[in-house]
Amino acid sequence: EPEVTQTPSHQVTQMGQEVILRCVPISNHLYFYWYRQILGQKVEFLVSFYNNEISEKSEIFDDQFSVERPDGSNFTLKIRSTKLEDSAMYFCASSGGGGAQETQYFGPGTRLLVL
Amino acid sequence: DAKTTQPTSMDCAEGRAANLPCNHSTISGNEYVYWYRQIHSQGPQYIIHGLKNNETNEMASLIITEDRKSSTLILPHATLRDTAVYYCIALNYGGSQGNLIFGKGTKLSVKP
Repeated sequence: EPEVTQTPSHQVTQMGQEVILRCVPISNHLYFYWYRQILGQKVEFLVSFYNNEISEKSEIFDDQFSVERPDGSNFTLKIRSTKLEDSAMYFCASSGGGGAQETQYFGPGTRLLVL
Repeated sequence: DAKTTQPTSMDCAEGRAANLPCNHSTISGNEYVYWYRQIHSQGPQYIIHGLKNNETNEMASLIITEDRKSSTLILPHATLRDTAVYYCIALNYGGSQGNLIFGKGTKLSVKP
């Protein structure tokens, strides 16, 4: 069964450093998403991406964040200058052709720890 | 998207049916009811979704009331591996792909 994969599973970085989190969505999907979950808190939407541009973003997704689909398979989230409060699980998701009944499927997540 | 209300926690005996309720009294006609679960800190796992009719798949059944103001997720024979946080989400795609708004969900504990 096709699934969303994410790398790395864990990432430790120093405050102020740049990190890139990688995702390989399900191959025939067209819509891509990033969510995050701070320890003990709710899963929060960050950004959605379609047709090589951002469709929607939350207030969390500020100028420190960017997303990219560098090739036909990867979808990346870059945090330009990490802060302590960026420590969280980051989940990538993808869905198919959009519109009604398009289910989002999630990857296993990347646990980011900013020291 | 409509707000959903779920109990904070529930217990279920292994082998018994787990019935997880969700209230979505402000749901609009074109909003779907989605259920996901999250086992420990893993990625949310899709379970089932529906609009008006009851739905069943290999994981669960979804019963939606006629007025669509509430629904129940049924795990027919709960196992210990079904222990997780279950999220009920009302989602309106409205021409775009829609983002999922997760609440706190119901923490289901399946006990031997």
